[in-house]
Amino acid sequence: GNSVTQMEGPVTLSEEAFLTINCTYTATGYPSLFWYVQYPGEGLQLLLKATKADDKGSNKGFEATYRKETTSFHLEKGSVQVSDSAVYFCALSGGSNYKLTFGKGTLLTVNP
Amino acid sequence: DVKVTQSSRYLVKRTGEKVFLECVQDMDHENMFWYRQDPGLGLRLIYFSYDVKMKEKGDIPEGYSVSREKKERFSLILESASTNQTSMYLCASSSSSGRGDTQYFGPGTRLTVL
Repeated sequence: GNSVTQMEGPVTLSEEAFLTINCTYTATGYPSLFWYVQYPGEGLQLLLKATKADDKGSNKGFEATYRKETTSFHLEKGSVQVSDSAVYFCALSGGSNYKLTFGKGTLLTVNP
Repeated sequence: DVKVTQSSRYLVKRTGEKVFLECVQDMDHENMFWYRQDPGLGLRLIYFSYDVKMKEKGDIPEGYSVSREKKERFSLILESASTNQTSMYLCASSSSSGRGDTQYFGPGTRLTVL
């Protein structure tokens, strides 16, 4: 079956540091890949997505590239801000029923 | 903008009570989902529905049921609440068109069962 493994947290960085959160997946066929973000006290919001190999999703300074050869979709940001403090979830969508399979989430804390 | 609303942000119930969690979406989406979120376990799918009156079990359906009488509304029912159902419950919806469709989430209901 489908599965997503993402880097365990928590991750603590100083403002303006470089961020990488690793995500690898197992899936049959050609899944779409997502990063969702959950700010404190809120539901999940889509951060970015990619639907085919070599696609790069980007939003709010975050980027992730769909690497089929390494089955990875790592999230990166060149310079984090305090407002980026949140839980980040990697997910994949595969098959015909539009279900998402989520990783366990990574808590990011950015200190001033 | 897609809007998914949930009936309560916080709910406190007693063991054995019947609990209804309501979710409404305003984008005419075919698919709706209920998840629970627990620390260290991420999101786990309880039930989903791809059409009115249609439902399918997710990964952890035990102790839950659902109802979808109208396209915009998807209800999660705890027939007899237990303390191990204390959790954050998240509803989501998505369209059936295209592939890899984005799921849009509500703000969540934090349920405490005493």
